[in-house]
Amino acid sequence: AQSVTQLGSHVSVSEGALVLLRCNYSSSVPPYLFWYVQYPNQGLQLLLKYTTGATLVKGINGFEAEFKKSETSFHLTKPSAHMSDAAEYFCAVILSGGYQKVTFGTGTKLQVIP
Amino acid sequence: EAQVTQNPRYLITVTGKKLTVTCSQNMNHEYMSWYRQDPGLGLRQIYYSMNVEVTDKGDVPEGYKVSRKEKRNFPLILESPSPNQTSLYFCASSLFSSTVLNTEAFFGQGTRLTVV
Repeated sequence: AQSVTQLGSHVSVSEGALVLLRCNYSSSVPPYLFWYVQYPNQGLQLLLKYTTGATLVKGINGFEAEFKKSETSFHLTKPSAHMSDAAEYFCAVILSGGYQKVTFGTGTKLQVIP
Repeated sequence: EAQVTQNPRYLITVTGKKLTVTCSQNMNHEYMSWYRQDPGLGLRQIYYSMNVEVTDKGDVPEGYKVSRKEKRNFPLILESPSPNQTSLYFCASSLFSSTVLNTEAFFGQGTRLTVV
């Protein structure tokens, strides 16, 4: 069975500081990995995804994530936090093979301090 | 504009009174699903549908029903709502592709349901 673990339900960073949100997955077959962002009172929006190919994936709003198979991780980073990055972030996994069973992590709320 | 539309956005109801939350998408997506979002639990899948007349249970289907009579619509039905179904609900749709390259899920704005 697949699962996703997000370390830290709340993360606070200063404006301009590095953002690092952690995601580890468990999967018996190669996974496809996603990061979604949820702004207050909004639905989820795709930030980036890893399916195949390059393990460093760039997404919208300056975010990127690196798939590390040996560490079963897909951490989300951004070099310099902006106030507008304050939101909740969800990591998600789909198993390869076309069956679209999506498993979400429990989410990490990012607070950006001025 | 590509979108997933849920209605209503907010709903307060009483225990046992049947309700339906509608979901409609205009992207001709085969795959649609319902999630509930609860603090500390993330999003949990309730039901999903891979195409018209094809539905299946997700992780937390108890107390819910769905139907998929048309490709664009996927309503969520609570026959006899209970307070433990108070939650934030999201509908999502995506293409169904064996290559998984186009499986970005598009989410509705959410429906905040309170059952008293």
